[in-house]
Amino acid sequence: QVQLVQSGSELKKPGASVKVSCKASGYTFTSYAMNWVRQAPGQGLEWMGWINTNTGNPTYAQGFTGRFVFSLDTSVSTAYLQISSLKAEDTAVYYCARGTVVAATFDYWGQGTLVTVSS
Amino acid sequence: QSALTQPASVSGSPGQSITISCTGTSSDVGSYNLVSWYQQHPGKAPKLMIYEGSKRPSGVSNRFSGSKSGNTASLTISGLQAEDEADYYCCSYAGSSTPVVFGGGTKLTVL
Repeated sequence: QVQLVQSGSELKKPGASVKVSCKASGYTFTSYAMNWVRQAPGQGLEWMGWINTNTGNPTYAQGFTGRFVFSLDTSVSTAYLQISSLKAEDTAVYYCARGTVVAATFDYWGQGTLVTVSS
Repeated sequence: QSALTQPASVSGSPGQSITISCTGTSSDVGSYNLVSWYQQHPGKAPKLMIYEGSKRPSGVSNRFSGSKSGNTASLTISGLQAEDEADYYCCSYAGSSTPVVFGGGTKLTVL
């Protein structure tokens, strides 16, 4: 069965970096795009962008350029989200989601990774 | 501010039907039949309930249905059950420059 398993919660200080992983199983990793979605505490879902798992080409939504980097390791079917120069407002649950951007359809989601930024 | 507008909350009694609206513009909901809906229980990941406007993934109850009229998409849940109590989010394709937009979410309370 399709599974996306994310790395555990992180507590970071402002200015630090964090790397969240999303390991896929149960399907051919390179057959589907991987998306990242942010959910701030008590807030709604916000699409951050996606990465083409064939080419490794990332696309970032407005507001997620510069400090956010999507990457892959196809040898272990894993996608990564790295956030640098962390700010308090980056505190959120970050989800990876398999899906088709052109259909705005995300059919499988990771369990989410809570990133807390606090001094 | 979210790109798609949803009511903050809706409620209904067990067995009743409710509808959640999702209003966009002619650049997103109105231009494409590519609206999806997600159910999210507290502390859990979202779950796909409807895609491409009205299609249900395998395993999703036929009590859930989707539709669209103009710039507004709707999710209807019939025969409300206690387990339907959750947050619901709509999502639409919005073209090549900003491909994906979400609604602000609607909290469904089953009375």
